[in-house]
Amino acid sequence: GQNIDQPTEMTATEGAIVQINCTYQTSGFNGLFWYQQHAGEAPTFLSYNVLDGLEEKGRFSSFLSRSKGYSYLLLKELQMKDSASYLCAVTDSNYQLIWGAGTKLIIKP
Amino acid sequence: SQTIHQWPATLVQPVGSPLSLECTVEGTSNPNLYWYRQAAGRGLQLLFYSVGIGQISSEVPQNLSASRPQDRQFILSSKKLLLSDSGFYLCAWSPPDPYEQYFGPGTRLTVT
Repeated sequence: GQNIDQPTEMTATEGAIVQINCTYQTSGFNGLFWYQQHAGEAPTFLSYNVLDGLEEKGRFSSFLSRSKGYSYLLLKELQMKDSASYLCAVTDSNYQLIWGAGTKLIIKP
Repeated sequence: SQTIHQWPATLVQPVGSPLSLECTVEGTSNPNLYWYRQAAGRGLQLLFYSVGIGQISSEVPQNLSASRPQDRQFILSSKKLLLSDSGFYLCAWSPPDPYEQYFGPGTRLTVT
């Protein structure tokens, strides 16, 4: 079967760095996405990885290792507004997005 | 630029009543369109997706149906709502070449 695993919840301190991990087992791989979803709102696109390595975009970076079926989202200089759920999703061989359940990130002052 | 509209934003409906949620996309042609449901505190569940007018694929058997009468219009319907249909309904689009999905603002449905 197809499976994406993420921690259910994480807590971090304002100004710190946090890493949210995602492991996947899918039938084929055509890219991995990270989305941010604030409570009560729709998900918004953060990053896309299709090749191994690190993609940096401001305070957010996303890493991919296809051989290990592993990705992480790194958030630096955390701000209170970063409190949200972070969803990992993988495009399989049929170009369908398989979604993880999301990681709820709580930022404390 | 592309925009996606979804309405209504919130809806309270009694059990057994019909449902119609509408989603429209502007600024692009021949998008892939998706309907998702998200229960409180849970992940996204893909309900339907469409790669063209009249082409609908159903992922989960249920009392919901979808239609795509126009290229950039996607409608989610039900003849008789169940309590279990309550949730946050999200419409999304992606370019024909598979890439990231962009979400509408969502409809929060409460079935009473």
